[in-house]
Amino acid sequence: KQEVTQIPAALSVPEGENLVLNCSFTDSAIYNLQWFRQDPGKGLTSLLLIQSSQREQTSGRLNASLDKSSGRSTLYIAASQPGDSATYLCAPDGGNTPLVFGKGTRLSVIA
Amino acid sequence: DAGVTQSPTHLIKTRGQHVTLRCSPISGHKSVSWYQQVLGQGPQFIFQYYEKEERGRGNFPDRFSARQFPNYSSELNVNALLLGDSALYLCASSRNARGRGQGVREKLFFGSGTQLSVL
Repeated sequence: KQEVTQIPAALSVPEGENLVLNCSFTDSAIYNLQWFRQDPGKGLTSLLLIQSSQREQTSGRLNASLDKSSGRSTLYIAASQPGDSATYLCAPDGGNTPLVFGKGTRLSVIA
Repeated sequence: DAGVTQSPTHLIKTRGQHVTLRCSPISGHKSVSWYQQVLGQGPQFIFQYYEKEERGRGNFPDRFSARQFPNYSSELNVNALLLGDSALYLCASSRNARGRGQGVREKLFFGSGTQLSVL
């Protein structure tokens, strides 16, 4: 059974800092991994999807890496802004099973 | 193009009542999944439907049921509501069913959710 852990659970940083969010998962037999953003009381917005054959995926100030064999993924946010404040969720995808989510990292970027 | 739309956005019910939540997928998407998100937790899978057939079911009691219509929209029904059913209910759509050869590369697109409060 896939289990997903996200560290830290919460993070508060001043504007402009670069930061790293961590995701670990127990079952490395995945096809891809998605990072999502969730604003309070809202739905999930897909940020990045990394295929298992890829090591990294970039979108603007976001960069996600995947080390499938060690069961780890990181989301790097460069030059953080107050608008980045949200909860970030990772979800490894085993293909034949539903997405399993971590509890997320709650990020606050202080102006 | 419209994204995944869910209705209603908020709902207040009392214990024992029944509730129906609705979801319209992105145009061209044939698969709909439902997730429950309790405050402070990640979303938990409830159901997946593809082409009107149930393709997966999570660890939820029989009080939870769903269906998908010919236009690919979907309803989630919950009977005999309990306080513990209070949560954000999320609908997600994808072009194909998960678990199929194409589906493993499918992104899931989520709606804004229905916030259900059971008093």
